[in-house]
Amino acid sequence: GAVVSQHPSWVICKSGTSVKIECRSLDFQATTMFWYRQFPKQSLMLMATSNEGSKATYEQGVEKDKFLINHASLTLSTLTVTSAHPEDSSFYICSALPGQGVNTEAFFGQGTRLTVV
Amino acid sequence: AQSVSQHNHHVILSEAASLELGCNYSYGGTVNLFWYVQYPGQHLQLLLKYFSGDPLVKGIKGFEAEFIKSKFSFNLRKPSVQWSDTAEYFCAVNQGGKLIFGQGTELSVKP
Repeated sequence: GAVVSQHPSWVICKSGTSVKIECRSLDFQATTMFWYRQFPKQSLMLMATSNEGSKATYEQGVEKDKFLINHASLTLSTLTVTSAHPEDSSFYICSALPGQGVNTEAFFGQGTRLTVV
Repeated sequence: AQSVSQHNHHVILSEAASLELGCNYSYGGTVNLFWYVQYPGQHLQLLLKYFSGDPLVKGIKGFEAEFIKSKFSFNLRKPSVQWSDTAEYFCAVNQGGKLIFGQGTELSVKP
């Protein structure tokens, strides 16, 4: 099956610093990738839709200047949490859609646990 | 906007018991529906999906789900659960390519 890899799996950073999380589709091209956030014991909340070669589309309430998304190639999207604060500590998950259609299965990365101290 | 509701937040069963987890969605148009499982410490895995055709969908590990359009429902079932089914289960609906998730149901299976 299709594989999506996230790096790093976990990261601890100091408050005020920036952290970059990578999402790669290893064996397929993904025009569209999605970034989710999951708080403990809660569901996944969509943060933004990342489209290759264009600006990301952010969900309501998500600060685009704080969560920078870059989708420079068909196999890589990055999420940068800028000036991280403890409240940004969470589990961040990406998913990728093979192909162009909406009737396709999304494949998920293993997630990145971010802890801001 | 589409929303997904999972009625059971935490379900506790004994091994061999039957399972049914509820899932309802709000939008009545054409929908693609999914059930994902997240085992402790692991990433999301697809259990099954419905795009079209037979409303009774069979997935991996003995799970199945039934799409009932009139009830806006896509409940997950398994006739006999195992201890290894202990996990978090998420129902999701495809909205323009992005997935909208329910709140999740934590399933604990006692040996």
